[in-house]
Formats: sequence, structure tokens, C-alpha cells
Amino acid sequence: GNSVTQMEGPVTLSEEAFLTINCTYTATGYPSLFWYVQYPGEGLQLLLKATKADDKGSNKGFEATYRKETTSFHLEKGSVQVSDSAVYFCALGSGYALNFGKGTSLLVTP
Amino acid sequence: DAGVTQSPTHLIKTRGQQVTLRCSPKSGHDTVSWYQQALGQGPQFIFQYYEEEERQRGNFPDRFSGHQFPNYSSELNVNALLLGDSALYLCASSYRDRPYNEQFFGPGTRLTVL
Repeated sequence: GNSVTQMEGPVTLSEEAFLTINCTYTATGYPSLFWYVQYPGEGLQLLLKATKADDKGSNKGFEATYRKETTSFHLEKGSVQVSDSAVYFCALGSGYALNFGKGTSLLVTP
Repeated sequence: DAGVTQSPTHLIKTRGQQVTLRCSPKSGHDTVSWYQQALGQGPQFIFQYYEEEERQRGNFPDRFSGHQFPNYSSELNVNALLLGDSALYLCASSYRDRPYNEQFFGPGTRLTVL
């Protein structure tokens, strides 16, 4: 079945460091791919999405490119801030559902 | 523009009881999905309602049931509660014509089963 695998956390970075969170997927067909972010005590917020191969989603300095050849959708940001501390979820559209990874916790220290 | 709202915020029940959680979708949305998020895990899809019908269901037992009302709001019912049902229950809404499953999430209801 359709599934996503994302890197285990927690990830701890210093402010202004470069961020990569790996996400790979298994799917039939060409699903849409998403990154959601969950700040402490809050619900999920859509961060970015890509709907077809080679699409690049971007928002708030975060980027991810839909790579069909490597079945990946890695999240990147060039310079993280303390306010980026949160849990990040990679997700895949499967029919009408979203299949989520287990989440990667990011802590950014000053 | 009101986002997705859920009630109650927190709930404590005992094993064997029944619970009802409520969700109002984002303005303009007509589709509601429910997810269960256990501590430290990603959300798991329970089911989706559109036009007052369940149109897709995840791998959850029949103890989990739902309903959608004509105003698009929705309820999630869980019968015969188990300790393992303790989780954050998230409601998400979307618009049926969006082809890419883009869903907007509410803040969740934290259910604790004792």
C-alpha cells in the first residue's frame, strides 16, 4: 500500500543552520505529496505541497521537490530560526486520505 | 474566515464508555475527514465524509462511526472505549473539487481513556 518513511528525530540545529529532513514514499501511480508542520499544542498546518513529478513546493523559506526517480520529497531550508522548532510530517495523498509519516521533531537553539 | 473548529478540547472517559466528538469545517468546505494521532506518531486516517456519506475508511474497527450533517459539520463516535483509544483526534476539511487531497486541520480533541 501507499506509505511514507521519514527520518527519525529529534533533529537539533543551531539558528541559521541548514535543514534537511528526508522523506521517501512508496505508492502506486503519482500521488500528491505534502509537508505539514505541527507546533507545540496546535493542530497540523500545511507547509507546502507538490502534485506531480519535478514540482517544487515552497513556503516560508522551506522547499521540497517531488523526485519520481528516487521516490523522495525531502524538506529543506537554508537558514532555520528558533521559531521553526516543531514537528514536521511528510504525507502522501492516497485516494481521499492522507498517509502520514511518523514525524520528525526539530529543535532550533539560539 | 473561520478555520476548522473542534469540540471539546479535552475529554476524559473510562473504558467501555462511548464518546462523541464534533467538528465544523472551514467556511466553503464540504468534506470532512477524521484522523487519530497517538502520542509521538503521525495521524492515522479514520474516514472521510462527503454529501453525508462515508466515502473512504481507514483501518479502524466498527466501534468508530461518524456522521455528517446537511451544514457539513461532522461527528465522530467511538463506542466501547479502550485504553488504546487515548489519542488526539483531528478533524480536517476540504472542498470536493480540489483534486489533490489538500486538507485543513483543526486543533484536535485530546481524548484520555482511563
